[in-house]
Amino acid sequence: ILNVEQSPQSLHVQEGDSTNFTCSFPSSNFYALHWYRWETAKSPEALFVMTLNGDEKKKGRISATLNTKEGYSYLYIKGSQPEDSATYLCAFNNNDMRFGAGTRLTVKP
Amino acid sequence: DTEVTQTPKHLVMGMTNKKSLKCEQHMGHRAMYWYKQKAKKPPELMFVYSYEKLSINESVPSRFSPECPNSSLLNLHLHALQPEDSALYLCASSQDNYRGQPQHFGDGTRLSIL
Repeated sequence: ILNVEQSPQSLHVQEGDSTNFTCSFPSSNFYALHWYRWETAKSPEALFVMTLNGDEKKKGRISATLNTKEGYSYLYIKGSQPEDSATYLCAFNNNDMRFGAGTRLTVKP
Repeated sequence: DTEVTQTPKHLVMGMTNKKSLKCEQHMGHRAMYWYKQKAKKPPELMFVYSYEKLSINESVPSRFSPECPNSSLLNLHLHALQPEDSALYLCASSQDNYRGQPQHFGDGTRLSIL
C-alpha cells in the first residue's frame, strides 16, 4: 500500500450500535498514525496519535488499535450516539502527513 | 471554539487578483501547516513551517507563497490562481514538527476562483 486508505467510505448506524472502521497505510518506514474527527462546519479534532505496534488508545466510547507490521489501524465506537456523526480521518505521519479520504459516519436517533 | 483562527472564512477572487489567507495561534506551537482539501478528497499537505522556517514544501505551484512572520502567524499569499485551486484551505499547528504530535486545525478558508 502506497497511500492511506480508509474503509468504508460511509457508514449509517442506529443510535446504540457499536461500529468500527479501518485505516490501511504503508507498513514500511512507519512513525506515527493519527486519527481525527471532523464534524461538518467545524475543524478537524485530534482523537489519537499512535506510535507503537500493538498500541491501544481510548477516549470515552472511542478506542483505536494499531498494527504497524501489517499496516492497519481500527477505530471503534461503542454505543454510537447522534453526536458521533462526523467524518473520521486517519493520517500516516512519516516525513509528511498523508491523510486518508475518511469514513463518514451517520448515527440515526 | 478552535484555538487556531483562520481569516477570511470565505474568499472569492478572480484569476488576476492577489489576496492572502491568514492563520493565527496562541498556543505557543512552533510548527504550522497549510493544507488544501478538495471536496471528498483527503487534505493534502502544502507547506510546513518549523520554528518559523519553511521545512517542507510539497512541490506546490509558485502562485502559492507562504510566509511565517512570527511563531504565531502564518500567511498564504495567492496570486494568479486557477479555477482548479478552488478548495478549502486548512491551517494547523502542533507543539513542534516532531512526528507524532497531534495537530490543531482551524476552521479553514473556503476559496473560490472565478
